[in-house]
Amino acid sequence: GAVVSQHPSRVICKSGTSVKIECRSLDFQATTMFWYRQFPKQSLMLMATSNEGSKATYEQGVEKDKFLINHASLTLSTLTVTSAHPEDSSFYICSADRSGNTIYFGEGSWLTVV
Amino acid sequence: AQRVTQPEKLLSVFKGAPVELKCNYSYSGSPELFWYVQYSRQRLQLLLRHISRESIKGFTADLNKGETSFHLKKPFAQEEDSAMYYCALRSGNTGKLIFGQGTTLQVKP
Repeated sequence: GAVVSQHPSRVICKSGTSVKIECRSLDFQATTMFWYRQFPKQSLMLMATSNEGSKATYEQGVEKDKFLINHASLTLSTLTVTSAHPEDSSFYICSADRSGNTIYFGEGSWLTVV
Repeated sequence: AQRVTQPEKLLSVFKGAPVELKCNYSYSGSPELFWYVQYSRQRLQLLLRHISRESIKGFTADLNKGETSFHLKKPFAQEEDSAMYYCALRSGNTGKLIFGQGTTLQVKP
């Protein structure tokens, strides 16, 4: 079946640095991808919609300068957490919409900021 | 406002007992509702979508527009059903999903 892959699955970074998380659709093209954030034992919160070839659409309350999203190709979206702080530590999940029908999720990326 | 509510954080049952995970939604328009399951250390997987009206792993869910509910049911729980279950609402024709808070189902032997 269709697979969405995220990399890295786990990353630890120092406070003040930036970290990039990749989301790839492995066997289909995705014009739209979505980035979610999940705190431990809590629900997924949609952060932004990543649009291929155009700017991402951010949800209310999400800082676009803090969470940079780039969707340069039909199979890759990246989320860069800039000037990371410990409160940015979380589980980040992407999903990709296949032909506006089925939504597939990545395996998630754990970010720990120390 | 679009919202999905799962009132139970944890549901603990014994193997063989019936299970009902509650989900209520708020949406102006015709909703498209899903149940996703997340097993320990695995990615989110689609369990059910209301438009397909199918039964997966013995689970069923019926959309009740009058009660704005989409409860997930299974007549006889199995230990391997232990997982986190999320009810989700699709916003418009996009792939954007609005998730409920999630319910942890614990099936005891």
